[in-house]
Amino acid sequence: GENVEQHPSTLSVQEGDSAVIKCTYSDSASNYFPWYKQELGKGPQLIIDIRSNVGEKKDQRIAVTLNKTAKHFSLHITETQPEDSAVYFCASHTGNQFYFGTGTSLTVIP
Amino acid sequence: GAVVSQHPSWVICKSGTSVKIECRSLDFQATTMFWYRQFPKQSLMLMATSNEGSKATYEQGVEKDKFLINHASLTLSTLTVTSAHPEDSSFYICSARQRGGFNQPQHFGDGTRLSIL
Repeated sequence: GENVEQHPSTLSVQEGDSAVIKCTYSDSASNYFPWYKQELGKGPQLIIDIRSNVGEKKDQRIAVTLNKTAKHFSLHITETQPEDSAVYFCASHTGNQFYFGTGTSLTVIP
Repeated sequence: GAVVSQHPSWVICKSGTSVKIECRSLDFQATTMFWYRQFPKQSLMLMATSNEGSKATYEQGVEKDKFLINHASLTLSTLTVTSAHPEDSSFYICSARQRGGFNQPQHFGDGTRLSIL
């Protein structure tokens, strides 16, 4: 089955700096890769996603890149703000299932 | 758009009680809903997948008689934890996937914190 690995598990950055979170997957049939932000005590919220026919997607301060050959995708947050502090999960979709990474706890230091 | 409402947000009850959690897609039709369990500082663990009008598919190790799932309509799925015990205490999260194919995004509810005394 699919195996999704996510790094780093924790990340601290200064406000205004960039943050990068990386995920790898194993199933070459995976075709959809969403990223979720989870704040304390809440459910994950979809923040950006990318499909397998696209290499990069950007939405204001967040962007996602996908390298299908290497089977990895990354989340980039620029000009980080304290409200970006949360746990971020990557996921891959194959078959009828989503497979989640183990999460990255991001702390943006004011 | 794509709002998923989960209720209740927090339940505290005695051991042996059955607890029902509702998951509703408010502004879209959800042909598939997923139920997850999340332990503190851990990732989401898929418990079961339910398609409207059919029986849920449970992940290995999840007792279907313990965690009853009903997906009677395109906007509502329920999870009933039967005869709950302290080890069932956890954060339960549902998600719903829009119509339109397997690679449509899933949208999550805000979770239900279940505490069994």
